[in-house]
Amino acid sequence: SSELTQDPAVSVALGQTVRITCQGDSLRSYHASWYQQKPGQAPVLVIYGKTNRPSGIPDRFSGSSSGNTASLTITGAQAEDEADYYCNSRDSTGNHVVFGGGTQLTVL
Amino acid sequence: QVTLKESGPVLVKPTETLTLTCTVSGFSLSNTRMGVSWIRQPPGKALEWLAHIFSNDEKSYSKSLKSRLTISKDTSKSQVVLTMTNMDPVDTATYYCARTIVIRGIFYYYYMDVWGKGTTVTVSS
Repeated sequence: SSELTQDPAVSVALGQTVRITCQGDSLRSYHASWYQQKPGQAPVLVIYGKTNRPSGIPDRFSGSSSGNTASLTITGAQAEDEADYYCNSRDSTGNHVVFGGGTQLTVL
Repeated sequence: QVTLKESGPVLVKPTETLTLTCTVSGFSLSNTRMGVSWIRQPPGKALEWLAHIFSNDEKSYSKSLKSRLTISKDTSKSQVVLTMTNMDPVDTATYYCARTIVIRGIFYYYYMDVWGKGTTVTVSS
């Protein structure tokens, strides 16, 4: 089992807002990064350092954190946002790195 | 332009050792803030971090696979090599390498900003 816990699946209506969460004790000490993965493709970084977006990532993607929970929010979800989303951080010891189990996002 | 490319065998037999190479371009493995991670993904399953290495030769391994993994780099060749011993069919997966950034300051940032396309490895006799 992963040290970072994500809901397996989330759905959102087109144009609505969705929040994907990631829970773990290590998130009290380390920021999460978030990755989007579409079928048959490599993951793409969408959020790092809790709230930062790499260039080229739409501003509808945002990150936040509180306590042991990190969140990825998509404001105005688009059809092309349908994908698997993974959070990532150091583990609670700081010596290793872990991914969450992933959240499959469906845009209805 | 930063790119990473994984290479290695497509098929390995159980108990054999897997050797994967990640060849990078567009950045140097001697950059103090940059390293390379290996991540794998079994078919239909989640991402699993395996190991990373940084310019100062700092290495870290997955807790569950530590005894089977070795990561190394050749800065002059811009290559990072991962070996995994005693391969088993459960190790069948797509293996990715990714540029990894660590920033230590007021905030600590760790993230993988550029990924290779991945290489699929099947373990079967």
